[in-house]
Amino acid sequence: DSGVTQTPKHLITATGQRVTLRCSPRSGDLSVYWYQQSLDQGLQFLIQYYNGEERAKGNILERFSAQQFPDLHSELNLSSLELGDSALYFCASSGLAGGETQYFGPGTRLLVL
Amino acid sequence: KNQVEQSPQSLIILEGKNCTLQCNYTVSPFSNLRWYKQDTGRGPVSLTIMTFSENTKSNGRYTATLDADTKQSSLHITASQLSDSASYICVVSGGSNYKLTFGKGTLLTVNP
Repeated sequence: DSGVTQTPKHLITATGQRVTLRCSPRSGDLSVYWYQQSLDQGLQFLIQYYNGEERAKGNILERFSAQQFPDLHSELNLSSLELGDSALYFCASSGLAGGETQYFGPGTRLLVL
Repeated sequence: KNQVEQSPQSLIILEGKNCTLQCNYTVSPFSNLRWYKQDTGRGPVSLTIMTFSENTKSNGRYTATLDADTKQSSLHITASQLSDSASYICVVSGGSNYKLTFGKGTLLTVNP
C-alpha cells in the first residue's frame, strides 16, 4: 500500500459526459502528479501540482483540468469525453517538487462507451 | 526530442533464472533514472533511482546499472520468482522541472 488513495476505482460513462477523479496524497507529501495509461501506450504525464500550485504540464488535453486543494487532495476533471479517453488514470505523490521517488495510487479505470 | 527506449518488449523466463532488461535514453540534460515495477492493473512501484554519479544500485534481487556516457541503463533480476511477472518501466528525469520521460516498459513473464 503506497499510502496514495484514488476514487473511484472504476468509472463507466458515455461520450460527451464529464467526470471527476479524486486523489489523496500520502500524508505529508506536497506534490501530486496525474498520469494516463492507455492499453497500447506507456504512462503519459498529464500535470503536476505542488502545494496547491500548478508546477508542470505534460500532454494534458484542453478538455482536461486539475486542481489541488488546501488540504492537498487533488481532482482531475475530464470533460466532453471521447472513446479514446478510456484508460487507467494514476495519481502519484512525492514529498517535494521533483527529483525524488513518486508513490503511485491504485488508479481509476475509466471506460467511455 | 527526449525519448526512452526499452528492450526487449517482452520476455519469458523460467523461475529461478536471471534476466537483464535494457533502457536507452536521449533525455538531456539528465537528472536521474528510475526503474519501476508495475503489476497488471496496479500502480507502478519504485525499484531504484540513480543520479548521474551512480553506476549501480541494488534493491534485493534487483540491480540497476547506469552508464551516463552511453546513456544506457540495465535492470538485472537474479533468481527470478513468479511474483516478478510484471511490466518494468524505465523513467528518465531531465530538463526543467524534472520532467519525466517514460519508456513503454518490458513485460516480463516468469513461468514455473
